[in-house]
Amino acid sequence: QSALIQPASVSGSPGQSITISCTGTSSDVGGYNYVSWYQQHPGKAPKLMIYEVSNRPSGVSHRFSGSKSGNTASLTISGLQAEDEADYYCSSYTTITPHVFGTGTKVTVL
Amino acid sequence: QVQLQESGPGLVKPSETLSLTCDVSGYSISSGYYWGWIRQPPGKGLEWIASVYHSGSTYYNPSLNSRVTISVDTSKNQFSLELSSVTAADTAVYYCARVVTGRYYFDYWGQGTLVTVSS
Repeated sequence: QSALIQPASVSGSPGQSITISCTGTSSDVGGYNYVSWYQQHPGKAPKLMIYEVSNRPSGVSHRFSGSKSGNTASLTISGLQAEDEADYYCSSYTTITPHVFGTGTKVTVL
Repeated sequence: QVQLQESGPGLVKPSETLSLTCDVSGYSISSGYYWGWIRQPPGKGLEWIASVYHSGSTYYNPSLNSRVTISVDTSKNQFSLELSSVTAADTAVYYCARVVTGRYYFDYWGQGTLVTVSS
């Protein structure tokens, strides 16, 4: 099972909105609504930000939102803040394995 | 509050078996959920390794399947990972996490433990 494809890096200025894509196939992202997103600051464990495509866990800022179209899922961060600078990973259920992660995206706040 | 804590040797010799344990507090493993291991080589992305249910039911990453064993000990409220025949490519931070059953996401994570494979 190949990793889901994410852009290596995305950047934006404070207050702007950015979107991170996560591209798979009909056997994973496109076939199921089990896409989740994780934020990871350097040296820290990943933190769940979005589950089941667009649901936010309690305590996660409303500035984070998720969506899906076809085989591509997206994470949008609105009102970008310095604290949002981190690595972001998507994950999906697949027909072969219960979990596959994306390649990861480094978000830089300019 | 659910908390997970990994433990095990930080250094393993090539060809030997890597063994890690994850202690769970704030929740009884016997009550449900799957429990999983994920690893991250230095400077690289996340890779799911395996998951186990409190009943002992397991799922393995096909790319590691032949070398991995995951198990659960409900009496100690912990679960474990064994990875055999390790090489330098198995050097990584290993995380344990809780998996929401049937919904396929990790809601609680341990802090991670670095395991280096070197002679």
